[in-house]
Amino acid sequence: SAVISQKPSRDICQRGTSLTIQCQVDSQVTMMFWYRQQPGQSLTLIATANQGSEATYESGFVIDKFPISRPNLTFSTLTVSNMSPEDSSIYLCSVGINREQYFGPGTRLTVT
Amino acid sequence: GENVEQHPSTLSVQEGDSAVIKCTYSDSASNYFPWYKQELGKRPQLIIDIRSNVGEKKDQRIAVTLNKTAKHFSLHITETQPEDSAVYFCAASPGFQKLVFGTGTRLLVSP
Repeated sequence: SAVISQKPSRDICQRGTSLTIQCQVDSQVTMMFWYRQQPGQSLTLIATANQGSEATYESGFVIDKFPISRPNLTFSTLTVSNMSPEDSSIYLCSVGINREQYFGPGTRLTVT
Repeated sequence: GENVEQHPSTLSVQEGDSAVIKCTYSDSASNYFPWYKQELGKRPQLIIDIRSNVGEKKDQRIAVTLNKTAKHFSLHITETQPEDSAVYFCAASPGFQKLVFGTGTRLLVSP
């Protein structure tokens, strides 16, 4: 597996602002993913972030709203832009190792 | 795209009983099926997985079975304990290591 950390762990933001979430891994990994988990719901894949290439977004998610960076094999960021209360959720990064995925602790975002 | 259905949504058992959670998937190209346990306020934890070339896999009190023909897979927990109480998610991977998750099952094990 891997040790995965996220910052911040939680935040309260005003609508219309943006928040950047960081994900750090203790080893080099090719595949990183960003998920959203709305309160009491399942996990939904936002995008796949591979180093050296543009992120691949799932249906319903767009780059303008959720820009992603992947500058190296141990780090990625997800920005939630122009936030609205509907963006209140837990955002989790994960890493893929030999087909298995391991999750970070999540960032709990509340938009007021 | 892939769609994963999971049942039941809630499951209550007595300590020591067995629990079974079932999932179906739609994309025959999916070939990897993990199960995650998520305790309240915690991250999902991978507890067991199965690949499409295997029909069953066991790890102590938990086991997973896969029926590729029927496109369904199940999680079996035997001799349940209160610490097994959590939300369990199944998932299917249609490729590129992507995971599509089921809707989750809240398992409550009563002492």
